[in-house]
Amino acid sequence: SQQGEEDPQALSIQEGENATMNCSYKTSINNLQWYRQNSGRGLVHLILIRSNEREKHSGRLRVTLDTSKKSSSLLITASRAADTASYFCATALTDKLIFGTGTRLQVFP
Amino acid sequence: DADVTQTPRNRITKTGKRIMLECSQTKGHDRMYWYRQDPGLGLRLIYYSFDVKDINKGEISDGYSVSRQAQAKFSLSLESAIPNQTALYFCATSDLGLAGDNEQFFGPGTRLTVL
Repeated sequence: SQQGEEDPQALSIQEGENATMNCSYKTSINNLQWYRQNSGRGLVHLILIRSNEREKHSGRLRVTLDTSKKSSSLLITASRAADTASYFCATALTDKLIFGTGTRLQVFP
Repeated sequence: DADVTQTPRNRITKTGKRIMLECSQTKGHDRMYWYRQDPGLGLRLIYYSFDVKDINKGEISDGYSVSRQAQAKFSLSLESAIPNQTALYFCATSDLGLAGDNEQFFGPGTRLTVL
């Protein structure tokens, strides 16, 4: 069964706008990761946040983690058409990852 | 060259046929994984291996088997394919980093269609 649930399922924005995706999960975790998938291709790791961290940045990406609410958010600032993809959160407790169902992001030029 | 490769990239087969999907990696990672992706369901873990002598079932292992031939090679077999095994299959690798960080690196995927 899925551990993470992303919200929204789909998001459409204009270039230059910010995109925010949320992930909720059910159990304790060691870390939470975000991945990106271009249509029909392999997933690419974007960022990992550990359970004792609250916020992390990487370029135009900002991830927050609230372990009390069992939720995380991914913010993409100043989005570009090339950011169009599906984004998945994945939680790690043991050595396995459990993936959510993803958010499809469409960025219009 | 890609760090994680999968062959074949596309395969169409018939119900009842035996199919093998292969995965090779040059990252030197001990841990390898097989996932399937269905529309709207995200990725689900089929099998995983933490070293050459270690094989573990994942969430949806029924109807599948695996073989870890070497550190760099991990193959997935469908002994008798059925139509509901039509999906996109991904291989991934990881290493156990500091503080338990375990990001995974994915292959390009194999699109399998079972008629």
